[in-house]
Amino acid sequence: NAGVTQTPKFQVLKTGQSMTLQCAQDMNHNSMYWYRQDPGMGLRLIYYSASEGTTDKGEVPNGYNVSRLNKREFSLRLESAAPSQTSVYFCASVGQGDRNQPQHFGDGTRLSIL
Amino acid sequence: AQSVTQLGSHVSVSEGALVLLRCNYSSSVPPYLFWYVQYPNQGLQLLLKYTTGATLVKGINGFEAEFKKSETSFHLTKPSAHMSDAAEYFCAVRFNTGGFKTIFGAGTRLFVKA
Repeated sequence: NAGVTQTPKFQVLKTGQSMTLQCAQDMNHNSMYWYRQDPGMGLRLIYYSASEGTTDKGEVPNGYNVSRLNKREFSLRLESAAPSQTSVYFCASVGQGDRNQPQHFGDGTRLSIL
Repeated sequence: AQSVTQLGSHVSVSEGALVLLRCNYSSSVPPYLFWYVQYPNQGLQLLLKYTTGATLVKGINGFEAEFKKSETSFHLTKPSAHMSDAAEYFCAVRFNTGGFKTIFGAGTRLFVKA
């Protein structure tokens, strides 16, 4: 049982380059999330998707786009990477009928932008 | 606005002393509440959660938390700290709105002195 899988695990980009972070879950969960983690700031919600076909902005959506490709996959795209987007990115999911259940997290993607 | 506040970015206790990590949220409707722990270079692990019912919740590793609606708080405690408790702790809040929106506090790093 893989749970939530994020790819890649590490990436270095140059300023202005584009990149898509991939996330897939095999738990038949409806809701999926993207967070970024920075020292002293905790996890900040970038975008979330309550169900297939819907996405909503979180706390820090600027500079990012998302696609809920299907029920399993939720990708995060940086169109023109900036050094301020250097961070660890986490994807998470939770089941539709499980409002009281914790999120399942991926292992994270460490992204550095030079 | 919906928010989560963790008071104290760093807390230091002696081994065997009481651990108290504070979390307050802003919401007009009681949300679902979670505490997670993160060890260095690892993902997030659920410590405990509050959904409905008993306001004192017990979790793993001897931790517990009490939901106080009147104070909009969900503070985490452990009677006796152990060296292995040194980690970063995050309070998370899932609001009772559509979409399972879940946001995190900035985190509290716990140091345990021998």
